[in-house]
Amino acid sequence: DAGITQSPRHKVTETGTPVTLRCHQTENHRYMYWYRQDPGHGLRLIHYSYGVKDTDKGEVSDGYSVSRSKTEDFLLTLESATSSQTSVYFCAISGTSGGPGNEQFFGPGTRLTVL
Amino acid sequence: SQKIEQNSEALNIQEGKTATLTCNYTNYSPAYLQWYRQDPGRGPVFLLLIRENEKEKRKERLKVTFDTTLKQSLFHITASQPADSATYLCALDPYGGSQGNLIFGKGTKLSVKP
Repeated sequence: DAGITQSPRHKVTETGTPVTLRCHQTENHRYMYWYRQDPGHGLRLIHYSYGVKDTDKGEVSDGYSVSRSKTEDFLLTLESATSSQTSVYFCAISGTSGGPGNEQFFGPGTRLTVL
Repeated sequence: SQKIEQNSEALNIQEGKTATLTCNYTNYSPAYLQWYRQDPGRGPVFLLLIRENEKEKRKERLKVTFDTTLKQSLFHITASQPADSATYLCALDPYGGSQGNLIFGKGTKLSVKP
């Protein structure tokens, strides 16, 4: 998986609790992305980062926040988890120290269930 | 509205035949289009990228075409094998590559029967 790990791989939590998912890369890629994948919707971009402390919103950012304090780590936080956030979350990376590059490399995913 | 569509949710073919998957988009003018493969329980894996000025691209048994007039890309797997069974996703960058953001289709699940 191109030097990308996600933790945890599985999590069950309760409505209203905060949850943080971690993406860690060893490829020194500048761009990092968080997607969610749901049946009938495909992959949708939540947030992305184009450098340390530089982040922006994607298509479905409501209820999520992100942080990137180091090149290798990109954190996704569900501030107050809801059942609609039950999904599989994928982290992806692209580019080198220059532009975003083209192809993206995906992590193994985190399956989150909110009860 | 802007959208990207993969016409078939599922495609079943016989081993040895050519699989053809379709990706159509509206209201975008992408600089390139990509295809990914996704196996159950795993993240997508990049297969091929084709740029707007390229008509066709090949990689081993894979071939991609890109028609910017029709706003369509076709993905072919020749001499298909059961190991090709997976979900195939098309994706495009609506911003011309400046941010790397991708919009994905919902995917086509390919099943190759022996």
